[in-house]
Amino acid sequence: DSGVTQTPKHLITATGQRVTLRCSPRSGDLSVYWYQQSLDQGLQFLIQYYNGEERAKGNILERFSAQQFPDLHSELNLSSLELGDSALYFCASSVDRGSYEKLFFGSGTQLSVL
Amino acid sequence: KNEVEQSPQNLTAQEGEFITINCSYSVGISALHWLQQHPGGGIVSLFMLSSGKKKHGRLIATINIQEKHSSLHITASHPRDSAVYICAVIGGTDKLIFGTGTRLQVFP
Repeated sequence: DSGVTQTPKHLITATGQRVTLRCSPRSGDLSVYWYQQSLDQGLQFLIQYYNGEERAKGNILERFSAQQFPDLHSELNLSSLELGDSALYFCASSVDRGSYEKLFFGSGTQLSVL
Repeated sequence: KNEVEQSPQNLTAQEGEFITINCSYSVGISALHWLQQHPGGGIVSLFMLSSGKKKHGRLIATINIQEKHSSLHITASHPRDSAVYICAVIGGTDKLIFGTGTRLQVFP
């Protein structure tokens, strides 16, 4: 158990809908990272938050947004969903602000857009 | 061409064999992660290294920053090592860039 909790584990929805994925980092970790893993693109970095502030942005679509709350949990919001958004979404956490620390991954949310 | 290339893409081994997975990258990096993704999908961070060599149990990771190459070695492989091994480099602005992974199957 990594200590990182992601909910829900599975999500099935329809095109055009909006969903929210939730991540609770390990106790004491200030950074939360979101990643997308699809069959054709592999793992891709989406966005990072550190202590409530956005720190780095990767290949995140404008239809997607995220935030980190004062209790350090994070939510990834995906809107106007398309078939191609079907993927496994991981969050990870680390103590510090950079990627130089060991990362602890959640078990992922499998999103299926039908 | 991907910025991070792994080889081989697929690897089959017999239990007990010594295994090497390679990672080459074309961008300047400050450090590199090796990750293990289990068949169930969970990801575990194995190593983060910026120079030299690290060892943990039967796993050894090496990196040569000048040659832009890293290797992950598994000694005395076991069926429970069967997983996808992913190399990820820390490029500019601390963003992780992932390789496409090496799928390893170890048979008894």
